[in-house]
Amino acid sequence: AQSVTQLGSHVSVSEGALVLLRCNYSSSVPPYLFWYVQYPNQGLQLLLKYTSAATLVKGINGFEAEFKKSETSFHLTKPSAHMSDAAEYFCAVSGSARQLTFGSGTQLTVLP
Amino acid sequence: DGGITQSPKYLFRKEGQNVTLSCEQNLNHDAMYWYRQDPGQGLRLIYYSQIVNDFQKGDIAEGYSVSREKKESFPLTVTSAQKNPTAFYLCASALGQGQGSDTQYFGPGTRLTVL
Repeated sequence: AQSVTQLGSHVSVSEGALVLLRCNYSSSVPPYLFWYVQYPNQGLQLLLKYTSAATLVKGINGFEAEFKKSETSFHLTKPSAHMSDAAEYFCAVSGSARQLTFGSGTQLTVLP
Repeated sequence: DGGITQSPKYLFRKEGQNVTLSCEQNLNHDAMYWYRQDPGQGLRLIYYSQIVNDFQKGDIAEGYSVSREKKESFPLTVTSAQKNPTAFYLCASALGQGQGSDTQYFGPGTRLTVL
């Protein structure tokens, strides 16, 4: 069984500030972890994924995430927010069955 | 361009009618998925298929049906048995190889509204 908890359904940051979106997971097997971004009325786009090669994963658009097994976390960060980062972000976990389990999402608002 | 197409983008249905959502991919992927998205609930898996002519139920399959007669196509039918079908429906595909590290690529979605 696997599950994902995203802390904070809404996060607001000022333009240029640090973005931190939290994700904790539960998995009975070594997990694969994903972050996706969704713009309004669009599909999901992969930001980055963890596949055990490295604990710090760099993705597109300046985002990165760090896998911490002891904390069962995979938080998403970006040093400096841009207006174009405003979107909904989903964390997901996959086990050996190749099925993704998604968190409930975090809506990111970037304030000018 | 390779990708996943879903049609139509917006769909309106009267209660009691069945409706079929289209999903086509030209990525040569073996695996295809259907998700339902409701506000504040993330994405929930309806059905998935790892190979042609085979598919499995996901977490919320009741009231839905699928077919996988061709590798590139995975249509979803929302039947009248689905109690609350108004939602955003997303189709995805993946290579279908290896373990759970497969990346799923998503289509643009179909927004279904029941009138």
